[in-house]
Amino acid sequence: QITLKESGPMLVKPTQTLTLTCTFSGFSLSTSGVGVGWIRQPPGEALEWLALIYWHDDKRYSPSLMSRLTITKDTSKNQVVLTMTNMDPVDTATYYCATQGLTMNDAFDFWGQGTLVSVSS
Amino acid sequence: SYVLTQPPSVSVAPGKTAKITCGGNNIGDKSVHWYQQKPGQAPVVVVYDDTDRPSGIPERFSGSNSGNTATLTIIRVEVGDEADYYCQVWDSSGDRWVFGGGTELTVL
Repeated sequence: QITLKESGPMLVKPTQTLTLTCTFSGFSLSTSGVGVGWIRQPPGEALEWLALIYWHDDKRYSPSLMSRLTITKDTSKNQVVLTMTNMDPVDTATYYCATQGLTMNDAFDFWGQGTLVSVSS
Repeated sequence: SYVLTQPPSVSVAPGKTAKITCGGNNIGDKSVHWYQQKPGQAPVVVVYDDTDRPSGIPERFSGSNSGNTATLTIIRVEVGDEADYYCQVWDSSGDRWVFGGGTELTVL
């Protein structure tokens, strides 16, 4: 059974750095073709892809947010970490982590439940 | 940058057919994925690679993709199909994944 769970602060202040952890089970991020990505969704708005890391440590970032994002993995702990610097109230959103490449080519096939992050002073 | 355009809302009566479109420049040359998202839940893939359906997704869900429009079709719509639906593609020129703006499906 494949599961993913996001964890991190529910509230951050403007200009602070957000660190989110995706802890997963049921698959290995050392398996060829597999990736784990982050997608966010502001309240009442659409999905927005942020970043993705592959099994071989290749990384992709949203061009519009690249300067603020860092994605890393710890294969031994089954975790993927996303950091986002200089947080702003417009970054208030539910942040999801999701797998890619397990069963459906490059669709995001398994998702965590999401974690709501609010940015406010 | 590559943009995917979806109608904000689609309404359909139970038992009828719903068509949700996703417009993009030459989207027919790309592989389109469709997600269903119910309130308070994470998205779920209902169609991937234009036309494939994951296990567990009813055959009532199907997809097509040609020219500048991809379409998600739901036949014999049920009240339980009420949700937001998103299309998604890989934008190779922008090196990024792109989601459409989402379509709220209402079953009247």
